[in-house]
Amino acid sequence: AQSVTQLDSQVPVFEEAPVELRCNYSSSVSVYLFWYVQYPNQGLQLLLKYLSGSTLVKGINGFEAEFNKSQTSFHLRKPSVHISDTAEYFCAVSDFQGAQKLVFGQGTRLTINP
Amino acid sequence: KAGVTQTPRYLIKTRGQQVTLSCSPISGHRSVSWYQQTPGQGLQFLFEYFSETQRNKGNFPGRFSGRQFSNSRSEMNVSTLELGDSALYLCASSLLGGVGDEQYFGPGTRLTVT
Repeated sequence: AQSVTQLDSQVPVFEEAPVELRCNYSSSVSVYLFWYVQYPNQGLQLLLKYLSGSTLVKGINGFEAEFNKSQTSFHLRKPSVHISDTAEYFCAVSDFQGAQKLVFGQGTRLTINP
Repeated sequence: KAGVTQTPRYLIKTRGQQVTLSCSPISGHRSVSWYQQTPGQGLQFLFEYFSETQRNKGNFPGRFSGRQFSNSRSEMNVSTLELGDSALYLCASSLLGGVGDEQYFGPGTRLTVT
């Protein structure tokens, strides 16, 4: 069975500051990793995904994440945040047998202060 | 291209009743997945349908069921509603539901059970 732990439930940062949202996973098989964003009263939108290959993955809206197999982590980063990045962010994992069966972390609420 | 649509957007039901939620995937998408989102349990996978067949199932009681039609539209049904079924139900569609296929989420149906 897989599990995902998002280490911070809330992260407040100032506008234009860098941010890192942390995600650790647990799995006995090879996994695929995802970051989703959810704006208020909306569904989820895919930011980026890691399937294989380069461990540094670039996504939309200036976000990137690095897959670290030895530390079983997939942290999300952005060098300079904007007010519009205020949202909830979810890390998720799936595997080959259930590619669409995403296991999500509990989410991290990112609040950008002016 | 129209996104994933879910109807209704809001629903209020009484304990013991049953409810049916509908999801129309993006045109051409054949895989539809359902998720339950609650403050306490977070995002949890319910089931996935592909070509009218349930391909994956999460750990939910038999009161939760679903189906998919030949046009890929999907419905989920919850019978004998309990207070704990109050949640945001999200539907997601993808092209074939394979590895790397991005899941596109709808805005969700917010179900309140009183």
